Amino acid sequence: DVKVTQSSRYLVKRTGEKVFLECVQDMDHENMFWYRQDPGLGLRLIYFSYDVKMKEKGDIPEGYSVSREKKERFSLILESASTNQTSMYLCASSFGLAGGGTDTQYFGPGTRLTVL
Amino acid sequence: SQKIEQNSEALNIQEGKTATLTCNYTNYSPAYLQWYRQDPGRGPVFLLLIRENEKEKRKERLKVTFDTTLKQSLFHITASQPADSATYLCALPRSGANNLFFGTGTRLTVIP
Repeated sequence: DVKVTQSSRYLVKRTGEKVFLECVQDMDHENMFWYRQDPGLGLRLIYFSYDVKMKEKGDIPEGYSVSREKKERFSLILESASTNQTSMYLCASSFGLAGGGTDTQYFGPGTRLTVL
Repeated sequence: SQKIEQNSEALNIQEGKTATLTCNYTNYSPAYLQWYRQDPGRGPVFLLLIRENEKEKRKERLKVTFDTTLKQSLFHITASQPADSATYLCALPRSGANNLFFGTGTRLTVIP
């Protein structure tokens, strides 16, 4: 079974702090994704990566950056946390082209981040 | 731009009945469509994929249809059980990209 793990289930930070969210997958997936999920807005794509050291902006990249130094690890960074970044953050991974082009995604358990 | 609409935010159904969830999309002709289940406080879990040349797909008590003319997918759960209570998301491949665009989901509650 594919396993996607996230470093924390719950996190509380203060406005202005730098926040790191870590995601690790164990299936040698090419693609990795970061989403945030808010009531009524659904899953919104922040950033994704097709390969090591590659990154692409999603729908809402402002205020976030990412890092992918190793294939299995994808980090989301909030450079200076703000209260409007309070949300559930979900990491996902997929096979990419090796998966027949259907991009079935496997999600981690999520990190509920509260910024005070 | 691509748009996905799931029929309602919430659906309540009596145990044993068939639940039917709807996913409509516009401005796009996807090669496939996926359905995911999400329990509270957890990440979505993949359930089924249906391709544009397939009319119907089944998996145990789940059935998905895909009507490319109506631009609609229906997701059915037969003989529903309280354990089926969850939010169900449909997802389409983004045009020109190898990733997915998700609907906002329908929260299904099966009442014993």
